[in-house]
Amino acid sequence: DAKTTQPNSMESNEEEPVHLPCNHSTISGTDYIHWYRQLPSQGPEYVIHGLTSNVNNRMASLAIAEDRKSSTLILHRATLRDAAVYYCILREDSNDYKLSFGAGTTVTVRA
Amino acid sequence: DTEVTQTPKHLVMGMTNKKSLKCEQHMGHRAMYWYKQKAKKPPELMFVYSYEKLSINESVPSRFSPECPNSSLLNLHLHALQPEDSALYLCASSQVPGTRIGEQFFGPGTRLTVL
Repeated sequence: DAKTTQPNSMESNEEEPVHLPCNHSTISGTDYIHWYRQLPSQGPEYVIHGLTSNVNNRMASLAIAEDRKSSTLILHRATLRDAAVYYCILREDSNDYKLSFGAGTTVTVRA
Repeated sequence: DTEVTQTPKHLVMGMTNKKSLKCEQHMGHRAMYWYKQKAKKPPELMFVYSYEKLSINESVPSRFSPECPNSSLLNLHLHALQPEDSALYLCASSQVPGTRIGEQFFGPGTRLTVL
């Protein structure tokens, strides 16, 4: 499986943006970049995914580097509810069942 | 309804006990998953069912026995577990890959303690 590298932890203030980096230098042309997050005492939840172009949804934005070797998840205005572990995951293509979670980034939001 | 439910929320069992974990979804998903998550670690895939048939077994010991009796239900039967099997067991469901991107929906998990 292609691997991702994320910082162990990041801190942010409430109402400020959070930029979560993910390196995936061995990404292949058919790998989708997925982000999930896991709030305390809950199961993971889907955040966003992309292939080549930047993506936006109601939860976040995903910025993908032109060479696709890195990406950044952007939370535009962090709230206390955004405190979670954020996982950057590569999926081989849309036919792949597997989600291979890495260690993720623990995001702390200060009030 | 975009919810995956899991019962029980907590389970304590001895090493000689037999117990079962239950998972249910009503989103019409035909792929269902079991994950195991140890404390402070990421989830690890155990089993995948696709159209009620076992599709992936990630070399899980036979003391864990999955079952998918219908398209909405997924069980995990537990027998002769070890203390190191104590973990959070997560169920998930999704559309079958190939039909769309296959976003997985997770339940809240069952916290299992083996004494």
